[in-house]
Amino acid sequence: GQNIDQPTEMTATEGAIVQINCTYQTSGFNGLFWYQQHAGEAPTFLSYNVLDGLEEKGRFSSFLSRSKGYSYLLLKELQMKDSASYLCAVLDSNYQLIWGAGTKLIIKP
Amino acid sequence: GAVVSQHPSWVICKSGTSVKIECRSLDFQATTMFWYRQFPKQSLMLMATSNEGSKATYEQGVEKDKFLINHASLTLSTLTVTSAHPEDSSFYICSARGLAGFNEQFFGPGTRLTVL
Repeated sequence: GQNIDQPTEMTATEGAIVQINCTYQTSGFNGLFWYQQHAGEAPTFLSYNVLDGLEEKGRFSSFLSRSKGYSYLLLKELQMKDSASYLCAVLDSNYQLIWGAGTKLIIKP
Repeated sequence: GAVVSQHPSWVICKSGTSVKIECRSLDFQATTMFWYRQFPKQSLMLMATSNEGSKATYEQGVEKDKFLINHASLTLSTLTVTSAHPEDSSFYICSARGLAGFNEQFFGPGTRLTVL
């Protein structure tokens, strides 16, 4: 079956750095997405990786290793507004998004 | 670009009534639209995939006669929750995939449904 694993919850301090990991096993691979979702709101797009390596976009970076079925989202200079759930999703061979359960990130002052 | 709207943002209805939710792609043509449901503190659950002009494909466990989906044009899909019950109360989110942006899905803001 298809499976995506990410930690349920993480806590970090304002101004610090946090890394959210995601491992996947899917039927085919056409890219991996990271989305941010604040409570009561729809997900918003953060990043898309289809090739191995690191993609940097401001305070957020996303890394992919296809051979290991592994990705991480790195958040730098954490701000209180970064408190949200972070969803990892993989596009499978049918171009269907397979979603992880999400990681709730709690930022403390 | 790539804006998706949903209407209404929230709705409260009595048990047994039907509710229609609209999903529109405002600045692009969406060949495929997806309907998700999300219960509190849970991840997104795909309900169905709809392609313009054809019948929707429902995920296992989703009743197609209860959740009617119509994708009549390249910019509009509707989800009708028929004979709604309190257990249908949830956050319904649509997303759209365009002709050019084959891989990315753009999400609407979601509709909060509360059935009394």
